[in-house]
Amino acid sequence: DIQMTQSPSSVSASVGDRVTITCRASQGISSWLAWYQQKPGKAPKLLIYAVSSLQSGVPSRFSGSGSGTDFTLTISSLQPEDFATYYCQQTNSFPRTFGQGTKLEIK
Amino acid sequence: QVQLQESGPGLVKPSETLSLTCTVSGGSISTHYWSWIRQPPGKGLEWIGDIYDSGNTIYNPSLKSRVTISVDTSKNQLSLKLSSVTAADTAVYYCARGVRSYYYEIMDVWGQGTTVTVSS
Repeated sequence: DIQMTQSPSSVSASVGDRVTITCRASQGISSWLAWYQQKPGKAPKLLIYAVSSLQSGVPSRFSGSGSGTDFTLTISSLQPEDFATYYCQQTNSFPRTFGQGTKLEIK
Repeated sequence: QVQLQESGPGLVKPSETLSLTCTVSGGSISTHYWSWIRQPPGKGLEWIGDIYDSGNTIYNPSLKSRVTISVDTSKNQLSLKLSSVTAADTAVYYCARGVRSYYYEIMDVWGQGTTVTVSS
């Protein structure tokens, strides 16, 4: 199985801050990486796919980058609605695996 | 706009079979692939398996011996069965629509999730 490791596990930030979350795969996954946002009690929501493609309707303050084994999700200017937990997921091979999540909290 | 709705018993006894249904509305179940994902309380997401328009299925090896995913096209529903459940199977269970292209594979529409507790 491909292990997906996110860092940090949690981060505190303020509205307007720039935040970067990292996801590392245990082996190369090319561009088969997506990011999801999950708010408490809600289903995950697709933000970014194929490393850097923004899902329709997702604000442009979200961006993704990386290749191979190392990937990042960046929120350029945090908004109140961005405080949530973020997961990366690889679809390079089965079983599909997710990172453990990064909880973004208000400072 | 496609919507997914999970349903099923919220409480299942240990050693019994968990059975859930996901009803697809606003679109055909035949035009995409479909996934089940679960999330234990306070924990992360675990992929359970996929079913394709061909009827082929792929399961997480950690659950493979206990899982069955199927589709009823006449009802526009997919189902999940998980046998011999234990407390470790307590989780929120989600169904999701899968989209595959040449360079990406994503779950772009999710149900709201249904909580299943395994307890006697």
